[in-house]
Amino acid sequence: DTEVTQTPKHLVMGMTNKKSLKCEQHMGHRAMYWYKQKAKKPPELMFVYSYEKLSINESVPSRFSPECPNSSLLNLHLHALQPEDSALYLCASSQVSQGLSPAAFFGQGTRLTVV
Amino acid sequence: DQQVKQNSPSLSVQEGRISILNCDYTNSMFDYFLWYKKYPAEGPTFLISISSIKDKNEDGRFTVFLNKSAKHLSLHIVPSQPGDSAVYFCAALSSMNYGGSQGNLIFGKGTKLSVKP
Repeated sequence: DTEVTQTPKHLVMGMTNKKSLKCEQHMGHRAMYWYKQKAKKPPELMFVYSYEKLSINESVPSRFSPECPNSSLLNLHLHALQPEDSALYLCASSQVSQGLSPAAFFGQGTRLTVV
Repeated sequence: DQQVKQNSPSLSVQEGRISILNCDYTNSMFDYFLWYKKYPAEGPTFLISISSIKDKNEDGRFTVFLNKSAKHLSLHIVPSQPGDSAVYFCAALSSMNYGGSQGNLIFGKGTKLSVKP
């Protein structure tokens, strides 16, 4: 099983709404990531969790709030977003230990539109 | 400053021929390289990777070549098929940045491959 599952696939939200994106993997990976991707651009790293602890926050605005409830789940809570936050949000996971492949496996993404 | 560069935004190849996608990097600390394939509105799919201790890795129709002295890698697809049409991203890692509290892929901007029947 090399699957990372993201829900929902599509989300439209107003600027005053609160919503959450969800991500799940059962590969035993202990690193999980949130990326943001705009059209015709590479994915941009937002957050990294390693062993359920936040290890990287790439200067992401506080209107994005990540949460890692356990080793299989990763959430991204959204509040008071701006239209320019509209993008494809990608979750990924990978091994952490040295000697194992560090290849990250990505979910299908959530297409977010902020109106 | 881009650490991973894919200088060709697009590539068009005839079905059955070889596709060669190129990637250059500047950071000599990178020691693991990956190729991802991406269809529109989907997440990237991991294709193949190579460690810096090797110069070639092959998986079916896909072969990745690494030239460390030139800081250059390439992905060869033989034979190319119409279903290979997608955006291909090169990505790099430093082993100092994984296997611990961090794990940060640095992506190139991607090359859009079109395989014509």
